[in-house]
Amino acid sequence: KAGVTQTPRYLIKTRGQQVTLSCSPISGHRSVSWYQQTPGQGLQFLFEYFSETQRNKGNFPGRFSGRQFSNSRSEMNVSTLELGDSALYLCASSWGGAGGAFFGQGTRLTVV
Amino acid sequence: EDQVTQSPEALRLQEGESSSLNCSYTVSGLRGLFWYRQDPGKGPEFLFTLYSAGEEKEKERLKATLTKKESFLHITAPKPEDSATYLCAVQLRAQGGSEKLVFGKGTKLTVNP
Repeated sequence: KAGVTQTPRYLIKTRGQQVTLSCSPISGHRSVSWYQQTPGQGLQFLFEYFSETQRNKGNFPGRFSGRQFSNSRSEMNVSTLELGDSALYLCASSWGGAGGAFFGQGTRLTVV
Repeated sequence: EDQVTQSPEALRLQEGESSSLNCSYTVSGLRGLFWYRQDPGKGPEFLFTLYSAGEEKEKERLKATLTKKESFLHITAPKPEDSATYLCAVQLRAQGGSEKLVFGKGTKLTVNP
């Protein structure tokens, strides 16, 4: 059974640019959550999508957005990148709620 | 505000030296507590879910326990391959009937041969 797949694995972007990250959940999972992980703040919740609807959102600025498609694949977009956006972005999928969420390998974003 | 605190931040053990990691939480509406293992450059790997005080789960050299205010991850006779960062997360009810995970900052475990 394939796990959660995130692409790309690594990205280098310049301040002011925008970026789109992709996440393919485990087959049959309808919930996809996104997290930002930094050494100082640890894992912080960005948002959760279920059946193409955003159900929950963390305390991040509006530059961070996402969407989910009918096949449960999800994308996350960050506009007007800042140096502080450099982080490991993790996607997790589950059947319904956040419980027992299975994580992907993450996308390492570096903003220069 | 919901808070999850893990201690210690870092722990060095000799192979075979048993110890425990702590996860304490101050939250409202706890629905579950999760333990994950994370290796450098990888995503967290799910280990255990605990739902009620007194519950225990075991897997190989790891045992997780839960009380009303904290959870422990006991590591018995660890091996170097147990070296990783161990993350604790609490599952809370969120808006719109959804749930979310609030993570602690982790304990970095190093087991020396």
